[in-house]
Amino acid sequence: EIVLTQSPGTLSLSPGERATFSCRASQTVSSTYLAWYQQKPGQAPRLLIYGASTRATGVPDRFSGSGSGTDFTLTIIRLEPEDFAVYYCQQYDTSPTFGQGTKLEIK
Amino acid sequence: QVHLVQSGAEVRKPGVSVKVSCKASGYTFTDYAIHWVRQAPGQRLEWMGWINGGNGKTEYSQKLQGRVTITREISATTAYMELRSLKSEDTAVYYCARDQGRNLLGVWGQGTLVTVSS
Repeated sequence: EIVLTQSPGTLSLSPGERATFSCRASQTVSSTYLAWYQQKPGQAPRLLIYGASTRATGVPDRFSGSGSGTDFTLTIIRLEPEDFAVYYCQQYDTSPTFGQGTKLEIK
Repeated sequence: QVHLVQSGAEVRKPGVSVKVSCKASGYTFTDYAIHWVRQAPGQRLEWMGWINGGNGKTEYSQKLQGRVTITREISATTAYMELRSLKSEDTAVYYCARDQGRNLLGVWGQGTLVTVSS
């Protein structure tokens, strides 16, 4: 099983700032099969990025993904109030696994 | 528009089973697989398994193999997840999600809270 480790656990930032989330895999993940999800309290996860860097339909261009091999990054430039949520990475190269999540909170 | 609507919250005692449904609409049910994912309080999302909407083929996580069964009813465009021999640690929100291609989870249901308590 591929284990995904996200950092930091919590990110405290203000609207307008830039957020950077890290996701590290225990073994190489084909970049084609790395996704990012956003989850707000009481809601289901929402697909943001797939294939490591492709935005899902309707996702604003302030969200971007990058990385390869075992290290992947999600970046949000110019944070909006609605961006404060928990973010999960997921690999779907093998049986799907998820990271433990990073909580983005308002500073 | 693609929608997945799940059945309501359930409370069960340890040792019994629960069955959660996921009604799909807005697309051809047999063209896509449906996955089940759960989220225990304060825990990461955990993939449970999937079913091919067309041929009914299933695959389950090794951890839950033997306790979980995923089925579908084509005429009702509905997928089901049954979990048996429930334990307190099975308390979680259970989600169904439509496959968008090789285990990528594109559209999710609203979630079903299953509480296991004596």
